Amino acid sequence: EAQVTQNPRYLITVTGKKLTVTCSQNMNHEYMSWYRQDPGLGLRQIYYSMNVEVTDKGDVPEGYKVSRKEKRNFPLILESPSPNQTSLYFCASSPGAGKYGYTFGSGTRLTVV
Amino acid sequence: TQLLEQSPQFLSIQEGENLTVYCNSSSVFSSLQWYRQEPGEGPVLLVTVVTGGEVKKLKRLTFQFGDARKDSSLHITAAQPGDTGLYLCAGDSKADRGSTLGRLYFGRGTQLTVWP
Repeated sequence: EAQVTQNPRYLITVTGKKLTVTCSQNMNHEYMSWYRQDPGLGLRQIYYSMNVEVTDKGDVPEGYKVSRKEKRNFPLILESPSPNQTSLYFCASSPGAGKYGYTFGSGTRLTVV
Repeated sequence: TQLLEQSPQFLSIQEGENLTVYCNSSSVFSSLQWYRQEPGEGPVLLVTVVTGGEVKKLKRLTFQFGDARKDSSLHITAAQPGDTGLYLCAGDSKADRGSTLGRLYFGRGTQLTVWP
């Protein structure tokens, strides 16, 4: 089944403890991206990647890092999480940017205390 | 400032009624997409419109892309309780004032509730 898989689904952590949220797609898509969704603010793009080793900032990149070493994986790294990064995170992929539409993962609900 | 303005924010209607949701921007996009999202789940793509003036139909749902590629609408005919959900529009890759290929901009969504 074609899908985007995120792990973990739920995560509670403490301020300052580095964490990684994984994202993997099995559709050989070139494009992948990360979003956070907050009440009243909607979905906002964090980072995106047009292809392997190519990443760019979205609307809210501060406090996040990404890497794209292989086509199928696009992990989101929070080096020193803070409570304002408590949010619902989504990974998405697409054959390419601009016209294809995106397949989203099921989400990771992160709570930083 | 929200790049894409969706209206209405909330819509509560009876089964069988028709409705239209609007998505407006001052920017030109390479494409506009509509998604539906259930609580706690990821958005699911309904349609992508690429050409100005394009109209696409998906059963009882009709999607239109404005001629100038700045706005879109979603019309649902004879709504059913199963249509209940959060509807999101998203503009892909601004095409004016410098390309932003790869950037996806979401509206805040329209929460639709259809009562039996």
